Amino acid sequence: AQSVTQLDSQVPVFEEAPVELRCNYSSSVSVYLFWYVQYPNQGLQLLLKYLSGSTLVKGINGFEAEFNKSQTSFHLRKPSVHISDTAEYFCAVTSNNNDMRFGAGTRLTVKP
Amino acid sequence: KAGVTQTPRYLIKTRGQQVTLSCSPISGHRSVSWYQQTPGQGLQFLFEYFSETQRNKGNFPGRFSGRQFSNSRSEMNVSTLELGDSALYLCASSLRAYNEQFFGPGTRLTVL
Repeated sequence: AQSVTQLDSQVPVFEEAPVELRCNYSSSVSVYLFWYVQYPNQGLQLLLKYLSGSTLVKGINGFEAEFNKSQTSFHLRKPSVHISDTAEYFCAVTSNNNDMRFGAGTRLTVKP
Repeated sequence: KAGVTQTPRYLIKTRGQQVTLSCSPISGHRSVSWYQQTPGQGLQFLFEYFSETQRNKGNFPGRFSGRQFSNSRSEMNVSTLELGDSALYLCASSLRAYNEQFFGPGTRLTVL
């Protein structure tokens, strides 16, 4: 069975500072990995995805993530955050013949 | 292309009642998944339908059921509502099963 662990439930950061949101997964088969963002009272929006190929994946809003198979990680990074990045971020994993599993979420708060 | 739509957006019910939520996927998407999101449990997978067949089911009691129609629209039903069923119910569609999912805005269910 697959599982996802988001290591930080809350990450406070000042505006224009860099940020890393950590995600580790567990799976016995090849995986597809995703990061989603959720703004208050909204559904989830896809930030980026890793299906295959280059391990460095670039997404929307300046976010990127790196797939590290040996460390079973898929950490999300942004070099300079904005107030508007304040939201809940979810890491998710799926594979062939399995449903998508989400981490518990990381609440990113960007302070002025 | 229109996104995933969910109706209604907000719903208030009392214990013991039943409720039906509706989801219209993105045109051409054949897979529809349902999730329950609560502050305590996070995002939990309910079930996934593909071409009118339930392919996967999460760990929820039989009071939670769903179906998918030939046009890929999906409904989920919760019978004998309990206070703990209060949650944001999210629907997501994808082109194929086990692929990138696109989420609707959710239905906020409050059980009194």
